[in-house]
Amino acid sequence: KAGVTQTPRYLIKTRGQQVTLSCSPISGHRSVSWYQQTPGQGLQFLFEYFSETQRNKGNFPGRFSGRQFSNSRSEMNVSTLELGDSALYLCASSLEWSTEQYFGPGTRLTVT
Amino acid sequence: SQQGEEDPQALSIQEGENATMNCSYKTSINNLQWYRQNSGRGLVHLILIRSNEREKHSGRLRVTLDTSKKSSSLLITASRAADTASYFCALINDYKLSFGAGTTVTVRA
Repeated sequence: KAGVTQTPRYLIKTRGQQVTLSCSPISGHRSVSWYQQTPGQGLQFLFEYFSETQRNKGNFPGRFSGRQFSNSRSEMNVSTLELGDSALYLCASSLEWSTEQYFGPGTRLTVT
Repeated sequence: SQQGEEDPQALSIQEGENATMNCSYKTSINNLQWYRQNSGRGLVHLILIRSNEREKHSGRLRVTLDTSKKSSSLLITASRAADTASYFCALINDYKLSFGAGTTVTVRA
């Protein structure tokens, strides 16, 4: 069974631009979660989707948004990028939110 | 939001030795999970322990949970160089995992 895939793996953007990251979950997994990891803040929860519905959102500004499609694939978007948005963005999928989560390799975003 | 706090922050051991790290938390939980991360890559799930379980094993890993003390421990026995990684405990509530800052384990050859 293929694992969680994330595209792109690396991205360099400039301040003010917007970015879209993509996540394809493991086949059959309907819950997809997103996390931001930085050296200063550690792993921070962004949002969780299940059957195209956002069930929870972390404490991030409205510039961070996401969505899930009917095939469970998910995207997250960050608008008006700031230097502080430079981070590793991790996507995870699971059968249900309370079970073990399977993480993708992450997208390394650098904002200059 | 609640999250676990791992202790120690860093650990350096010789290959073949055991490594123990702890996770403390403040509120009640349904289950607690441990994850490993190798050098800035994605996290790998290690063990899930439910609130009604006291101990769980997986290969060289042993996890204990003491809900009265609100703490969990992860023991890695007979460590190998490949165990060098960061280890995180994660608490679950409201459809999200909350991670602690992690314990960085370095296994010296």
